[in-house]
Amino acid sequence: DGGITQSPKYLFRKEGQNVTLSCEQNLNHDAMYWYRQDPGQGLRLIYYSQIVNDFQKGDIAEGYSVSREKKESFPLTVTSAQKNPTAFYLCASRTNIANTGELFFGEGSRLTVL
Amino acid sequence: QQPVQSPQAVILREGEDAVINCSSSKALYSVHWYRQKHGEAPVFLMILLKGGEQKGHEKISASFNEKKQQSSLYLTASQLSYSGTYFCGTYGGATNKLIFGTGTLLAVQP
Repeated sequence: DGGITQSPKYLFRKEGQNVTLSCEQNLNHDAMYWYRQDPGQGLRLIYYSQIVNDFQKGDIAEGYSVSREKKESFPLTVTSAQKNPTAFYLCASRTNIANTGELFFGEGSRLTVL
Repeated sequence: QQPVQSPQAVILREGEDAVINCSSSKALYSVHWYRQKHGEAPVFLMILLKGGEQKGHEKISASFNEKKQQSSLYLTASQLSYSGTYFCGTYGGATNKLIFGTGTLLAVQP
């Protein structure tokens, strides 16, 4: 079955540590996204990528980094520079047809900083 | 800028209707609507394109007023399964940057 796989589902880390969240898709989608969601709030765009080896900052990119070395993979690193990293992180993908393709989401990764 | 949704929350009885609005300060090229159950990922409901074309998967209707930069989602004869948080997502230009609205929490009670 095609879809998006995020791992880990739950993650705990100590302050000052970097952590990498995995996102893999087998939908052959060109565009991939990372969103952050805080309790009771909407989804805020961290980074997005339209094509391999290219990515752009979203609205809250500070303290995060990404890479897009393969079409199917778009990992997100939460660095120690991110002041408040505890949140629910969602990865999504879609076909790269401007404005018309629906987003497919992974099940999310819940990060808690202790 | 994040699109603004209204109302922020609404409680309904089964069978009642609801309208959720999404308003943007920027020109819109298309509007997406998603529903998220608690603790789960958002699920696509509908997309509205400039020119009036709609693509959806459920018995939910929506409108898109390009001039007013607004979209509305119409939920009729609500069911318990309609409960969740509804988000609009907008593209402000010819890029793949999809920005989500502030969200509307919908609770349908028996």
